[in-house]
Amino acid sequence: EAGVTQFPSHSVIEKGQTVTLRCDPISGHDNLYWYRRVMGKEIKFLLHFVKESKQDESGMPNNRFLAERTGGTYSTLKVQPAELEDSGVYFCASSRSLTSSEQYFGPGTRLTVT
Amino acid sequence: AQSVAQPEDQVNVAEGNPLTVKCTYSVSGNPYLFWYVQYPNRGLQFLLKYITGDNLVKGSYGFEAEFNKSQTSFHLKKPSALVSDSALYFCAVRDGGSTLGRLYFGRGTQLTVWP
Repeated sequence: EAGVTQFPSHSVIEKGQTVTLRCDPISGHDNLYWYRRVMGKEIKFLLHFVKESKQDESGMPNNRFLAERTGGTYSTLKVQPAELEDSGVYFCASSRSLTSSEQYFGPGTRLTVT
Repeated sequence: AQSVAQPEDQVNVAEGNPLTVKCTYSVSGNPYLFWYVQYPNRGLQFLLKYITGDNLVKGSYGFEAEFNKSQTSFHLKKPSALVSDSALYFCAVRDGGSTLGRLYFGRGTQLTVWP
């Protein structure tokens, strides 16, 4: 089966601009997660969708971040307006169910805000 | 609160020697523990997990990990390292009793295996 895909692989934007990241999970996986890794630090959770519903968005840093998963398939993460501290690698992961436990990760989107 | 510590930023080992990448955790409920590996310009690949049962779990590429409840550790091991094992390794934990699936990660350990 195809893995988790993310687009774009890299994005360089100026402070104040808007960027939208996309994640396509593995087909049939109801659970979709977004994580972020700032350079040299741990990977941090952002939010968790179950189908199209937000199960847990406690990791979202502020209201400049908006995640959607219309129809329970792919997801988008929009940052508007972007700030310098938003730079990092954004990972998407999916899993079939909570009990199956392991999450499958995409290659990530490297976001650089200048 | 849940957390993971990987005390070593880097581990260097000669090819053919055994390797250990350390991980300790803190979790309020039942620990579900995971190891992931990231090769350059790639996403995280799942290596192995501990949910319940035998404390020694075996995973991909000859890796194994031992769950130690009293020491709250889940160290990753391999009897004989390969140059191709060089990568960034992440330990992660979640609360198995929670309906929230979020993983808590360590900062990662860069493993370098030299020929």
